[in-house]
Amino acid sequence: SYVLTQPPSVSVAPGQTATISCGGSNIGSKSVHWYQQKPGQAPVFVVYDDSARPSGTPERFSGSNSGNTATLTISRVEAGDEADYYCQVWDSYSDHVIFGGGTKLTVL
Amino acid sequence: EVQLVESGGGLVQPGGSLRLSCAVSGFSLSDFWMKWVRQAPGKGLEWVATIKQDGSEKYYVDSVKGRFTISTDNAKGSLYLQMDSLRADDTALYYCVRGTGTARIPNIATLLYNWGQGTLVIVSS
Repeated sequence: SYVLTQPPSVSVAPGQTATISCGGSNIGSKSVHWYQQKPGQAPVFVVYDDSARPSGTPERFSGSNSGNTATLTISRVEAGDEADYYCQVWDSYSDHVIFGGGTKLTVL
Repeated sequence: EVQLVESGGGLVQPGGSLRLSCAVSGFSLSDFWMKWVRQAPGKGLEWVATIKQDGSEKYYVDSVKGRFTISTDNAKGSLYLQMDSLRADDTALYYCVRGTGTARIPNIATLLYNWGQGTLVIVSS
């Protein structure tokens, strides 16, 4: 089955840029969605279709996807961005939804 | 306003059964693919099951296939997850999720658009 690999944790100082990777075989051919989950809350999507932002997601959040890696980039990180972030794709071969293991973003 | 409210969670012994419900409002189940996603304590998200709008297609993660059944009652506005032969590793917070297509893949609900707050299932003796 298709596997998505994320770093368990990323730490960044306020105002700096956080980069969260999501690795998968030829993931560049898939549509990647990113979810933010704060403690005690349900996840919400912050980027979809690799790089599109829903209304309500700050422009500081951006996404890219090429080759074997998709990336969520958060510029000018704020304390409120501290959360777990998950990448997700749909595997067309199995019709399964696949999540990455999640990355805990810590704002120092 | 779209709302999804899960219920039915609780403590159950290994081998037992539980039926989760998700009451939806603000949209019709006949218009959207629906999903269940779970999260074990302190762990990541795991997709569990998907059902097409008309119930004609259902998909399950391998670990629950043959034990869990997803269904809907459009008239009642409810999504269900019947869970049988429960195991300790089924312990998790179970989320009801509305899916939707996107510009890249419009006909498949690849995006998990709206989430409920979850209902906790604990499988333990």
